[in-house]
Amino acid sequence: KAGVTQTPRYLIKTRGQQVTLSCSPISGHRSVSWYQQTPGQGLQFLFEYFSETQRNKGNFPGRFSGRQFSNSRSEMNVSTLELGDSALYLCASSRTGGSGNTEAFFGQGTRLTVV
Amino acid sequence: KNQVEQSPQSLIILEGKNCTLQCNYTVSPFSNLRWYKQDTGRGPVSLTIMTFSENTKSNGRYTATLDADTKQSSLHITASQLSDSASYICVVSVGGGADGLTFGKGTHLIIQP
Repeated sequence: KAGVTQTPRYLIKTRGQQVTLSCSPISGHRSVSWYQQTPGQGLQFLFEYFSETQRNKGNFPGRFSGRQFSNSRSEMNVSTLELGDSALYLCASSRTGGSGNTEAFFGQGTRLTVV
Repeated sequence: KNQVEQSPQSLIILEGKNCTLQCNYTVSPFSNLRWYKQDTGRGPVSLTIMTFSENTKSNGRYTATLDADTKQSSLHITASQLSDSASYICVVSVGGGADGLTFGKGTHLIIQP
């Protein structure tokens, strides 16, 4: 079956702009989680959506937002981009979400560069 | 504060050799521990998930061990191959939501021919 699909794979934006990233989970998976990965900080949790509702949120400013649609596809939006937002953004899907014993499958990520 | 520490930060070994990566955690309460492999520029791929009652789990040439008493885990790679070159990330869960995952910063492994 198809894996987790993230689009676009690469993105270059200018400071102050906004950006929208997309994640299509594995068919049947209702949970989508988003992560920011930088060399210095590793993977950091942004938020988790389940059945169109944000279930958990990490410690990121309000410039980072997301939503989930009825088909479980999710989008993440970052407004007023800063240089420090340059990172690999990963999404992960799972059947039930959370951090229990259900396996999470990651997408290939979107590499965002802010100049 | 929940923390996951991995060592070494980076490792270079020759093809065909074995190696062991370490993960120490202070996460509490403990639900499960996961090891992921991440190739450069790609998303992490799950290798193993272990719960409290499991102390060894294998996935091909990868064998993970867990000592819940000392809060340590290791990932042993046998007969390394060039394709094993990647970052290996240890993740510990307290259960609950996805915010219950604590990620290590990974060990960067390079296999040389």
